[in-house]
Amino acid sequence: EAEVAQSPRYKITEKSQAVAFWCDPISGHATLYWYRQILGQGPELLVQFQDESVVDDSQLPKDRFSAERLKGVDSTLKIQPAELGDSAMYLCASSFSGANTGELFFGEGSRLTVL
Amino acid sequence: TQLLEQSPQFLSIQEGENLTVYCNSSSVFSSLQWYRQEPGEGPVLLVTVVTGGEVKKLKRLTFQFGDARKDSSLHITAAQTGDTGLYLCAGQRGGSNYKLTFGKGTLLTVNP
Repeated sequence: EAEVAQSPRYKITEKSQAVAFWCDPISGHATLYWYRQILGQGPELLVQFQDESVVDDSQLPKDRFSAERLKGVDSTLKIQPAELGDSAMYLCASSFSGANTGELFFGEGSRLTVL
Repeated sequence: TQLLEQSPQFLSIQEGENLTVYCNSSSVFSSLQWYRQEPGEGPVLLVTVVTGGEVKKLKRLTFQFGDARKDSSLHITAAQTGDTGLYLCAGQRGGSNYKLTFGKGTLLTVNP
């Protein structure tokens, strides 16, 4: 069964360091999302790609976060420098554009702890 | 202001009991989805509802979309320990490029 792949599963870093997360969506899914989920809360959209173009990054803290999807397939989310408040689960999801309901398929997430 | 309000925030019940969780909004959604998330994992889609008044059943789970497409409920009959998890509703508003907005979720614990 096709899955959304994410790495690393866990990342511990010190504040002010740089971190990067990688996501490989389900083959053929043109839309890719990065969500941040703080413990005990629902996912919050950080950035949405349609192919290689950013559709929505209104909630992305652009002073320290960046995201790219250069060839419209896999994607990287970077944080530099990391802050204590960035500790969270970073979830990647993909969907097949054209589906009326925009159903999302999530990866297992990357758990970030900033010390 | 949270676009989607879920209640209750926490629910702890005994195996075999019935329960209902709610997802409410003042906004109209073109579709609404329910996900279940287990600790350390990503959310998994349970159901999508798109028509006002729609009712969908998935084994012991019954999902309903409000007539005005502003709210939804999830009812579980005879809960099992395997139902334990975070239940998230997520709404998609028309013309929003498939952007899904999530509620904060209901954390359900089913005790043996």
